[in-house]
Amino acid sequence: KNQVEQSPQSLIILEGKNCTLQCNYTVSPFSNLRWYKQDTGRGPVSLTIMTFSENTKSNGRYTATLDADTKQSSLHITASQLSDSASYICVVSGADMRFGAGTRLTVKP
Amino acid sequence: EAEVAQSPRYKITEKSQAVAFWCDPISGHATLYWYRQILGQGPELLVQFQDESVVDDSQLPKDRFSAERLKGVDSTLKIQPAELGDSAMYLCASSPGTAGIQYFGAGTRLSVL
Repeated sequence: KNQVEQSPQSLIILEGKNCTLQCNYTVSPFSNLRWYKQDTGRGPVSLTIMTFSENTKSNGRYTATLDADTKQSSLHITASQLSDSASYICVVSGADMRFGAGTRLTVKP
Repeated sequence: EAEVAQSPRYKITEKSQAVAFWCDPISGHATLYWYRQILGQGPELLVQFQDESVVDDSQLPKDRFSAERLKGVDSTLKIQPAELGDSAMYLCASSPGTAGIQYFGAGTRLSVL
């Protein structure tokens, strides 16, 4: 069973709308959690990285939250743009690194 | 801005043939990773190097896959013989250390026919 579960598997929203992607993990011990954006046919690009003591971090229109007690993280995208269409991957590091399967976001005009 | 370079971008081969992928990490990055990503899934770690030493290759199918980083800089991943199930994106990433952000290359898309 994967130790990092992401939901939803895919999501379609209209341009300008907000959305929230979820990441639940069971990785222990916990070191940090990262969100990556992966455009089709490209390598992942880091959006945010959070350690145990951080519960929110922003990068432009992207805001990540972390609840280390419940082992949940979310990535909120504000005022979505067509260029936000991509897969968003949650990666949790502990003794090793565990990747989620990603959420495929499609932003339509 | 420095990038992780990978080549080729695309590779089509027949099963039982040998293929090789090359990765040049960001200058000064001691840690280098090779991942395999099947369409619709997250990357799966194949091998991790610290300088020229293998740190983790527990998920590398060693009967057909090999990886080297002889001088602790660029790296090569080889598959021999290729099988149909090897069709995937092969990603290389590097980081300054083992706990920091990984910077990914654009990947090599392998199709085995």
